[in-house]
Amino acid sequence: GQQLNQSPQSMFIQEGEDVSMNCTSSSIFNTWLWYKQDPGEGPVLLIALYKAGELTSNGRLTAQFGITRKDSFLNISASIPSDVGIYFCAGRYNNNDMRFGAGTRLTVKP
Amino acid sequence: DAGVIQSPRHEVTEMGQEVTLRCKPISGHNSLFWYRQTMMRGLELLIYFNNNVPIDDSGMPEDRFSAKMPNASFSTLKIQPSEPRDSAVYFCASSLGAVNAQYFGPGTRLTVT
Repeated sequence: GQQLNQSPQSMFIQEGEDVSMNCTSSSIFNTWLWYKQDPGEGPVLLIALYKAGELTSNGRLTAQFGITRKDSFLNISASIPSDVGIYFCAGRYNNNDMRFGAGTRLTVKP
Repeated sequence: DAGVIQSPRHEVTEMGQEVTLRCKPISGHNSLFWYRQTMMRGLELLIYFNNNVPIDDSGMPEDRFSAKMPNASFSTLKIQPSEPRDSAVYFCASSLGAVNAQYFGPGTRLTVT
């Protein structure tokens, strides 16, 4: 089945810095999703991408669905302390197969 | 609007006991998913339902696990008998159609001693 590689595993940044993380797949996906998970909570949907090449923003977050349909990135601009958490990418190939990346743990130092 | 509701939030039980996890999807959503999250394996899809019908249960670990969705607003995941290796956080998620974005509940943290 499709394997999903998410990087980096963790990031330590200073407040105000921009952040970039990405996911790559060995096969194509039809949908890419980005989630954020806070400790003790479920993943919260940040951005959904449904079309190759699509670039979507949600406040300070921007995500793109790669043209090859095998990758996606998430950028966070001007990070703030509440951006701390684990960010997951997820890709769906068909109706019943959604895969999650291992997550990027983000730490923001004030 | 209420999101996905799960209960209980925490469950501690002894090995061999039956455990039942509950989920209420977002009203109007017709697809429901059960996931398990562990440090070692990350998020794993266990089973999903479309219009109350189980579509894919290939992720269910073994016969000790079973899931039901008797109506559009309620689903259960049952483990019987439970084992220590079942300890994990179990999430329920719902979506409008299986191809659309999934919204997760807060999870049930299960500890089997």
